[in-house]
Amino acid sequence: KNEVEQSPQNLTAQEGEFITINCSYSVGISALHWLQQHPGGGIVSLFMLSSGKKKHGRLIATINIQEKHSSLHITASHPRDSAVYICAVRSSGNQFYFGTGTSLTVIP
Amino acid sequence: ETGVTQSPTHLIKTRGQQVTLRCSSQSGHNTVSWYQQALGQGPQFIFQYYREEENGRGNFPPRFSGLQFPNYSSELNVNALELDDSALYLCASSLETAYGYTFGSGTRLTVV
Repeated sequence: KNEVEQSPQNLTAQEGEFITINCSYSVGISALHWLQQHPGGGIVSLFMLSSGKKKHGRLIATINIQEKHSSLHITASHPRDSAVYICAVRSSGNQFYFGTGTSLTVIP
Repeated sequence: ETGVTQSPTHLIKTRGQQVTLRCSSQSGHNTVSWYQQALGQGPQFIFQYYREEENGRGNFPPRFSGLQFPNYSSELNVNALELDDSALYLCASSLETAYGYTFGSGTRLTVV
């Protein structure tokens, strides 16, 4: 069993749709990261959360520490949002665990 | 402010050889971590260095080793390469361990 589980694995949306990607984890964490990876490998860190909610442009990330769950929302999705979104946690023991990613395709 | 740079971008090695990958951290960042990402999979944490000391390690054998230098640049060394070591190797740096990470574009290693 993976320490970090993401859903869905693949997601196709029409441009303009509201998108939610979910992440559940089973370890105690000090922080949770949402990452975006484009084809070719480059990774961009979108958010780091330890509680509550963060917003950046059309992206919103929330975390519920009690439920060990986080969500990444994209409002008014756009084809340039197409990428793999990865949830990663840094455990209390300073280990990093990654989800296998959600591949998002936004169709014009 | 420069980002995280990794070198080389691509590398082909023969099974049994040794390889050194390099990472220059973002200016001012004292924490660096390394990850292995096999094709089609999420990254796996290899280890993290903070102020030149290893302060976290994933489930990788001792033939994966690292160094962080006083200028906070870093190396990942892999000895006795195996075919399964073929992957994208990513490094990420951070200002202190509690902050967000900036990722490099990775080194794609192919072991033949």
